Amino acid sequence: EAEVAQSPRYKITEKSQAVAFWCDPISGHATLYWYRQILGQGPELLVQFQDESVVDDSQLPKDRFSAERLKGVDSTLKIQPAELGDSAMYLCASSPGAGRGGYTFGSGTRLTVV
Amino acid sequence: GENVEQHPSTLSVQEGDSAVIKCTYSDSASNYFPWYKQELGKGPQLIIDIRSNVGEKKDQRIAVTLNKTAKHFSLHITETQPEDSAVYFCAASDDGNQFYFGTGTSLTVIP
Repeated sequence: EAEVAQSPRYKITEKSQAVAFWCDPISGHATLYWYRQILGQGPELLVQFQDESVVDDSQLPKDRFSAERLKGVDSTLKIQPAELGDSAMYLCASSPGAGRGGYTFGSGTRLTVV
Repeated sequence: GENVEQHPSTLSVQEGDSAVIKCTYSDSASNYFPWYKQELGKGPQLIIDIRSNVGEKKDQRIAVTLNKTAKHFSLHITETQPEDSAVYFCAASDDGNQFYFGTGTSLTVIP
């Protein structure tokens, strides 16, 4: 069964440091999403890509967060500098496109900022 | 934008009993409603979904019902088993483009 790959699974970083997460979507999935999930809450969208273009980044804190999907395949989410409040699970999801079914989520990266 | 509310936040049932989780949504344009199961330390997994042209869908012990007029949809799990214990999220989407998630229900099945 096809999976969305994410790495690392866990990351501990000191505040003010830079941190990056990687996502490889299911092959052929044009749409890629990054979500942040705070413990005990539902996922909240950070950024949505259609191929290599950003479709929605309205909830992305652009002063410290950046995301790219240069070749329209895998994607990187970066935080610089990390803050204590960034501690959360960062989930990547992909889908074939609008109207073609639900997301498939990766297993996520658990970030702890100390 | 869309607002999805989910109840209850926690639910405990005896093994073999049924569990029901309810969600409401606000945007009448939403037409796709998936349910996800999230186990500890893992990403959410799609377990069942329903589109707005259907009132009910079943898959073995899991069923989802949708009332478009009232803007609510529910997940029903029958004959619950300990492995059903997890956090369940509902979501609403406008044609599968952007998804809005509920706040989750932590289900515990007591053996």
